[in-house]
Amino acid sequence: GESVGLHLPTLSVQEGDNSIINCAYSNSASDYFIWYKQESGKGPQFIIDIRSNMDKRQGQRVTVLLNKTVKHLSLQIAATQPGDSAVYFCAENMNSGAGSYQLTFGKGTKLSVIP
Amino acid sequence: DADVTQTPRNRITKTGKRIMLECSQTKGHDRMYWYRQDPGLGLRLIYYSFDVKDINKGEISDGYSVSRQAQAKFSLSLESAIPNQTALYFCATSDLEDEQYFGPGTRLTVT
Repeated sequence: GESVGLHLPTLSVQEGDNSIINCAYSNSASDYFIWYKQESGKGPQFIIDIRSNMDKRQGQRVTVLLNKTVKHLSLQIAATQPGDSAVYFCAENMNSGAGSYQLTFGKGTKLSVIP
Repeated sequence: DADVTQTPRNRITKTGKRIMLECSQTKGHDRMYWYRQDPGLGLRLIYYSFDVKDINKGEISDGYSVSRQAQAKFSLSLESAIPNQTALYFCATSDLEDEQYFGPGTRLTVT
């Protein structure tokens, strides 16, 4: 898995299997989290988000789980496909309350799907 | 057409030169951002702007400046480029919602 501050890990998954990418965040005041997918040569693309008042959110083939107790975020991809091969970033947003906030990105996890 | 465009897509320049990277968006968002991406370091925020009259420094603003010419345009300048500014640069936009939409990136090499 990844942490906001670690090396880029790699996850290899067989096509059709489920993938789980993990992210540990450090700021307990963060109230919004996003997963991005970045394919080679492209900019990051939004996948799914979750707010701190939720534990789970589902999208199309993706699920994000948030465990605030241990400050852990995960992205689950069902029935992984070759097109899912990319680098996945988690990002956290701490609302400073002054209307100003910034996304802090993790360093990414590279997902490789084996056909 | 892409919602967020960046020009140029690739640029090679020499140390000491002034470089401007441009970003345009058609999403109608007020908020725009510049990030740099280095291998193994993820995305780091350089500057951000919440409207035309608002400019804020990010995590790594030293050596960079920005200009918000209009709601749709946000440019990043390197006044005197140095080799450690070699990186992939991304522009992003957002509305009041938190999700940010990224451009395709500019690959900058400083020799």
